[in-house]
Amino acid sequence: ETGVTQSPTHLIKTRGQQVTLRCSSQSGHNTVSWYQQALGQGPQFIFQYYREEENGRGNFPPRFSGLQFPNYSSELNVNALELDDSALYLCASSLSRRRDEQYFGPGTRLTVT
Amino acid sequence: AQSVAQPEDQVNVAEGNPLTVKCTYSVSGNPYLFWYVQYPNRGLQFLLKYITGDNLVKGSYGFEAEFNKSQTSFHLKKPSALVSDSALYFCAVRGMDSNYQLIWGAGTKLIIKP
Repeated sequence: ETGVTQSPTHLIKTRGQQVTLRCSSQSGHNTVSWYQQALGQGPQFIFQYYREEENGRGNFPPRFSGLQFPNYSSELNVNALELDDSALYLCASSLSRRRDEQYFGPGTRLTVT
Repeated sequence: AQSVAQPEDQVNVAEGNPLTVKCTYSVSGNPYLFWYVQYPNRGLQFLLKYITGDNLVKGSYGFEAEFNKSQTSFHLKKPSALVSDSALYFCAVRGMDSNYQLIWGAGTKLIIKP
């Protein structure tokens, strides 16, 4: 059974640029959630995708958007990058939207300069 | 508004002693509660969850947690700490009435001293 994978591992971007982060969910999981984790803090929920539709969103601006594909893999897109977007971005997959635990990928470290 | 509080930034315990990492929550409706652990340079790992039923839930690595509805708490416990338990622990909650958002605490750093 393959776990959750994310790419790339690290990324350096300039303020104003756009970035796409990718996530492959664990086999059999149809729900993917994205989180932003700043250093020394807990993860902040960005949004959740279930069967290719966004069905929950945290307090993030519209320049944070996502996609889920038929194979349940997912992308997180961030437009007009700001310095404060520098963080670890985590992807997690689960069997259901609410009751089940999430399995996390190793994360993508994004640095915006 | 939904929230999770982990009142201790750091907990220090001697190896072999019992440990407790505290978590309190505020959520509309009944909660789904989770504990996760984050080791240095490793991803977040699920430890245990409370969905319904018995208030004492058992999880991975000998950890357990007790759900207390009246005190809105879900403290993580282990009878005998190991040095290898040293890590960052997160409590998270999702309300039955929420938009599926999982709310996380700020984390508690657990240090087990030999």
